[in-house]
Amino acid sequence: VQLVESGGGLVQPGGSLRLSCAASGFTFSSYAMSWVRQAPGKGLEWVSDVSGSGGSRYYADSVKGRFTISRDNSKDTLYLQMNSLRAEDTAIYYCAKKAGGARVFYFAMDIWGQGTSVTASS
Amino acid sequence: QSVLTQPPSVSAAPRQKVTISCSGSSSNIGNNYVSWYQQLPGTAPKLLIYDNNKRPSGIPDRFSGSKSGTSATLGITGLQTGDEADYYCGTWDSSLSAGVFGTGTKVTVL
Repeated sequence: VQLVESGGGLVQPGGSLRLSCAASGFTFSSYAMSWVRQAPGKGLEWVSDVSGSGGSRYYADSVKGRFTISRDNSKDTLYLQMNSLRAEDTAIYYCAKKAGGARVFYFAMDIWGQGTSVTASS
Repeated sequence: QSVLTQPPSVSAAPRQKVTISCSGSSSNIGNNYVSWYQQLPGTAPKLLIYDNNKRPSGIPDRFSGSKSGTSATLGITGLQTGDEADYYCGTWDSSLSAGVFGTGTKVTVL
């Protein structure tokens, strides 16, 4: 069971970036997925959840209207489209598999990726 | 600013016990399952406890979780140097329709 993030990098404030998370070793469509971020020297911050089907999505207020979570169950891949990036979005972004099946209201995350670094700076 | 409050740090000698509290409200801890995560320096978080008090396979029984009302507690017995890490609680907040993590607690083995 493995999650591998990619797509991070340096972007100017106001720019866009799309993160990907490739899943393997489990039935991807059967599980809700999450994005969690951690700013340098700070704690964990939940960013977004998507249900197993992709039909239900939830966002933190700090990213609502700017970030979009999606998934392609045919490719076993989770995405996070990040637009209008701000300096405060600078963080390591982790994707995580929910432990409770396809539903989003269950919080526990049992598998985590290694993270991908995003820096929004001029 | 997190809606779940944890002490910034706790410490104890090897082989001793520490407890970490996580305080919330009826919209989060009071009505949803709590999970706990360990983050060793420079690594991704790892699930320690789910559904308030269950341990995933491979997590030693030195780690335990409990919940009462709007608070949850993580206990670590037989403290080891390898337990030095940051620990976070987390749950769903039904009012916010959002996930929430605690502020995090750094465990130091003296």
